[in-house]
Amino acid sequence: AQSVTQLDSQVPVFEEAPVELRCNYSSSVSVYLFWYVQYPNQGLQLLLKYLSGSTLVKGINGFEAEFNKSQTSFHLRKPSVHISDTAEYFCAVSEKTSGSRLTFGEGTQLTVNP
Amino acid sequence: EAQVTQNPRYLITVTGKKLTVTCSQNMNHEYMSWYRQDPGLGLRQIYYSMNVEVTDKGDVPEGYKVSRKEKRNFPLILESPSPNQTSLYFCASSIRGHNEQFFGPGTRLTVL
Repeated sequence: AQSVTQLDSQVPVFEEAPVELRCNYSSSVSVYLFWYVQYPNQGLQLLLKYLSGSTLVKGINGFEAEFNKSQTSFHLRKPSVHISDTAEYFCAVSEKTSGSRLTFGEGTQLTVNP
Repeated sequence: EAQVTQNPRYLITVTGKKLTVTCSQNMNHEYMSWYRQDPGLGLRQIYYSMNVEVTDKGDVPEGYKVSRKEKRNFPLILESPSPNQTSLYFCASSIRGHNEQFFGPGTRLTVL
């Protein structure tokens, strides 16, 4: 069985500061990894995904994430945040063998202050 | 426009009154899924469907039913809703389960 832990439930930062949202996962098999963003009163949209290949993945809106297999982590980063990045961010994992289940973390609320 | 639609977007009902939340996608996706989102718990999968007439339980299936008679539609049925089913529900679809999932706008359900 797979599981995901997002280490911070809330992350407040100032505008133009760098940010890192942490995600650890657990699985006995190889996985696909995703980050989704949910803006207020909206559904989820994909930020980026890791399927294979380069461990540094670039996504939309200047976000990137690095897959670290030895540490079973997939942390999300942005070098300079904007007010508009205020949202809830979800890390998710899917096992390559079954491909039928997407397991989400609890979410991290990113609040960017002026 | 490629999209997943859900109806209704908001629903207030009473305990025990059967309801159905519809979900439809126009991307010819094989895989569809229902999630509920609760504060501090993230999204939890209720049911999923790998293809027409193929459905399976997710992590929290109790109190819910689904059907997949057509590829584009995947309704969520609450036969006898209870207050603990008050939540925000999302439908999602993808080409296959491990690919990017496209989410609907959500249905906020309140059971009194």
